[in-house]
Amino acid sequence: GESVGLHLPTLSVQEGDNSIINCAYSNSASDYFIWYKQESGKGPQFIIDIRSNMDKRQGQRVTVLLNKTVKHLSLQIAATQPGDSAVYFCAEETQGGSEKLVFGKGTKLTVNP
Amino acid sequence: DTAVSQTPKYLVTQMGNDKSIKCEQNLGHDTMYWYKQDSKKFLKIMFSYNNKELIINETVPNRFSPKSPDKAHLNLHINSLELGDSAVYFCASSQRGLDEKLFFGSGTQLSVL
Repeated sequence: GESVGLHLPTLSVQEGDNSIINCAYSNSASDYFIWYKQESGKGPQFIIDIRSNMDKRQGQRVTVLLNKTVKHLSLQIAATQPGDSAVYFCAEETQGGSEKLVFGKGTKLTVNP
Repeated sequence: DTAVSQTPKYLVTQMGNDKSIKCEQNLGHDTMYWYKQDSKKFLKIMFSYNNKELIINETVPNRFSPKSPDKAHLNLHINSLELGDSAVYFCASSQRGLDEKLFFGSGTQLSVL
C-alpha cells in the first residue's frame, strides 16, 4: 500500500478557529515532506515543506510539525478562513532514493462561516 | 503569467480513441511530471522527465506514451482509451537539486465514454 496516509478524510471547522490536519507516513527513510492545498478545479498548490532535520517550521498562518519517532506530520492553520476550504495533501520524498513525491490520500477541510 | 499550463482542460472522448494532452512550463525547470488523480482525489505519479530524459516510469500501461521535445514541454499521448482512464491528469515541474517543490498545472479532466 501507499506509505503516506491521513487519519481523517474530512475536517469541518468554524471560521476563526485553528485547524489541524494530520498525516502518518510509514517510510522511515523519507526525509522531505510537503503540504499541498488543492482547491476545487485547480491543481495542488505548495503550502509549506519541512526536512527531516527539523521538527517544526512556520509560515504565514501555517505551521508544520514533524515527529519522526512516530512518523507523524501535521499541518496547523491559524485563524482558519473560508478561503482555506480545500483538500490538503501531505507528500513525502526520499532524497537520493527514487526522488519522487508520494502523496497521501488527502483531507477535505471545510470552513463554516 | 501561467507557470505550468496544460491543454485541454476538459477532454471527453469515446473508448478506443487516441488523445493527447499538452503541457508547457515557463519556470525554467529541468524536470517535468505527469500525475493521475482518481475520483477519490488520490494523486499518483505516472512519469517524470529530467532534461528530456525519462527518469521515472511507474507501472503505467504502454498505451500511455509521454514525449518531451524540450525541457519546457512534456506531452502525454494515450492510445486506445479505456473507461478506467477517466481521471484528472496533472502536469507538474520542479528544479532538481534546488528544492523538490512541484508546481502543478490546473489539470485535464479526461472522461472516457
